[in-house]
Amino acid sequence: DTEVTQTPKHLVMGMTNKKSLKCEQHMGHRAMYWYKQKAKKPPELMFVYSYEKLSINESVPSRFSPECPNSSLLNLHLHALQPEDSALYLCASSQGWQTGHEQYFGPGTRLTVT
Amino acid sequence: AQKITQTQPGMFVQEKEAVTLDCTYDTSDQSYGLFWYKQPSSGEMIFLIYQGSYDEQNATEGRYSLNFQKARKSANLVISASQLGDSAMYFCAMREGDDKLIFGTGTRLQVFP
Repeated sequence: DTEVTQTPKHLVMGMTNKKSLKCEQHMGHRAMYWYKQKAKKPPELMFVYSYEKLSINESVPSRFSPECPNSSLLNLHLHALQPEDSALYLCASSQGWQTGHEQYFGPGTRLTVT
Repeated sequence: AQKITQTQPGMFVQEKEAVTLDCTYDTSDQSYGLFWYKQPSSGEMIFLIYQGSYDEQNATEGRYSLNFQKARKSANLVISASQLGDSAMYFCAMREGDDKLIFGTGTRLQVFP
């Protein structure tokens, strides 16, 4: 089973709202990732959690706040977003690069900020 | 800095024909990994194939094969016997460090009957 699930599939929020994106994997992977993808562009890495600890933050604005409650769950808390934050947000997980293991992606959450 | 280049913004192929999607990379590392992902219009990134820099044989996964030419720093994806469902965006990617994946700009493949 190589499934990564994400909820919700679609989200529309105002600039003053607070919302959260959720990601779950049950493959026992040690690393989880958040990516942002604008239309017709490749995904851009936002955050990496390795063994439930934040290991990479790609200088993401503080209005995006990641959380890893346990090894299977990854959240992305959103607050005071801007219209330019509208994008597809992808979650991924990986066992690790040492054996060349790939990242498995979820279906994404399409976020629209109004 | 590592870099991935995909020079074909779009490609067309007839059903049942083979197609090659180009990818070149630039790195000074001796150990690296190369990946291809497929992204249909639904948005999910689907892993297709992986090639390690020390792998002597080209990777193959079903109808997908990776033409790895290390000296030329190229890692082209070959899709054999194209199907209508192969129409999608295809991204070449390279591992950077332990956890970062550097993506190319992608190639949109359209398969026609």
